[in-house]
Amino acid sequence: DSGVTQTPKHLITATGQRVTLRCSPRSGDLSVYWYQQSLDQGLQFLIQYYNGEERAKGNILERFSAQQFPDLHSELNLSSLELGDSALYFCASSVRGSGTDGELFFGEGSRLTVL
Amino acid sequence: QKEVEQDPGPLSVPEGAIVSLNCTYSNSAFQYFMWYRQYSRKGPELLMYTYSSGNKEDGRFTAQVDKSSKYISLFIRDSQPSDSATYLCAMSAGGNNRLAFGKGNQVVVIP
Repeated sequence: DSGVTQTPKHLITATGQRVTLRCSPRSGDLSVYWYQQSLDQGLQFLIQYYNGEERAKGNILERFSAQQFPDLHSELNLSSLELGDSALYFCASSVRGSGTDGELFFGEGSRLTVL
Repeated sequence: QKEVEQDPGPLSVPEGAIVSLNCTYSNSAFQYFMWYRQYSRKGPELLMYTYSSGNKEDGRFTAQVDKSSKYISLFIRDSQPSDSATYLCAMSAGGNNRLAFGKGNQVVVIP
């Protein structure tokens, strides 16, 4: 158990809909990262928050947004969903602002299926 | 050319064999190199962490980094069925730079 909690574990929805994925980082970790994993693209970095502020942005679509709240939990909002958004969405956390001087701790992921 | 190339082809080996995995990369600024292991229906977990070139050994696992060739490797000795998982390489230039992941290799160790 990494200590990172993600909900929901599975989500099935229709095209055009909006969903929210939630992440609670490990106790004491200030950074939260969101990744998308698909078979053809692998693990793609979406966005990072550090202590409530956006720290880095990756290949995140404009239809997607995220935030980190004062209690450090984070939410990833996916809107106007398309079939191609079906993937595993992982949240990871680390103590510091950079994941490279420490390890990233990943949650078990939220599997999104868009029909 | 992708920043990190990892041949995602599945690999099946008999128990006790040596597993050899590798990644190549194009960004010469990368200096932190990691291997993550991902079991089915789980998130990735850090397996090995190496800074700059050289070898690092941890039990049955050895990570090698050759920065001159932009090539990293992971070796698993005396492989066990419990080693069956997907192995992802990851690397970064450090600081606030994000980790770049390879696509992952699925390894199956057959008893």
